[in-house]
Amino acid sequence: EADIYQTPRYLVIGTGKKITLECSQTMGHDKMYWYQQDPGMELHLIHYSYGVNSTEKGDLSSESTVSRIRTEHFPLTLESARPSHTSQYLCASAGLAGGNEQFFGPGTRLTVL
Amino acid sequence: AQTVTQSQPEMSVQEAETVTLSCTYDTSENNYYLFWYKQPPSRQMILVIRQEAYKQQNATENRFSVNFQKAAKSFSLKISDSQLGDTAMYFCAAPIQGAQKLVFGQGTRLTINP
Repeated sequence: EADIYQTPRYLVIGTGKKITLECSQTMGHDKMYWYQQDPGMELHLIHYSYGVNSTEKGDLSSESTVSRIRTEHFPLTLESARPSHTSQYLCASAGLAGGNEQFFGPGTRLTVL
Repeated sequence: AQTVTQSQPEMSVQEAETVTLSCTYDTSENNYYLFWYKQPPSRQMILVIRQEAYKQQNATENRFSVNFQKAAKSFSLKISDSQLGDTAMYFCAAPIQGAQKLVFGQGTRLTINP
């Protein structure tokens, strides 16, 4: 079944640790996005990609980095986590159909102590 | 600036009532789609309904319909016969910069009471 996956779903780590949040989709979409969302608040775009080897920063400045080596995979990395990075991170993808309708993963809730 | 505004942070209605969530947007795109997404508590964001801006007819999906006023750049969501499962955050979204990215509104927290 075509879907979009995120792992881990929950992560609690200490300050200074390097982390990678995984996002994979099996829908064959070229476009992928990372959003940051505090609980009950709006989504902020932090990174996006329109295809392999294409990545751009979003509207909200973020210390994280992303890569797009394979179409289906769009991981997000924090080299040194801080408490200010505590948030929910949502991954989404979009194809050519549906006017850029975005399909969302379940999210990763990150807590940095 | 190209923005999306939801002016109702929270709404609460009784089960079976009808509720309307408002959204206004500002985009320079000519041909675009607008979206309403639903995010239930601790659950995945899913699409509720989308509207093609070049279509005059308002989109409808079962109990969900939109009132799209292109000139006014208004895109409200009407939920008829509301159900407990409709309790969620609702976000409207509009495209910016070539329709490849979406901007999301601040969200409306909707509670359906039994």
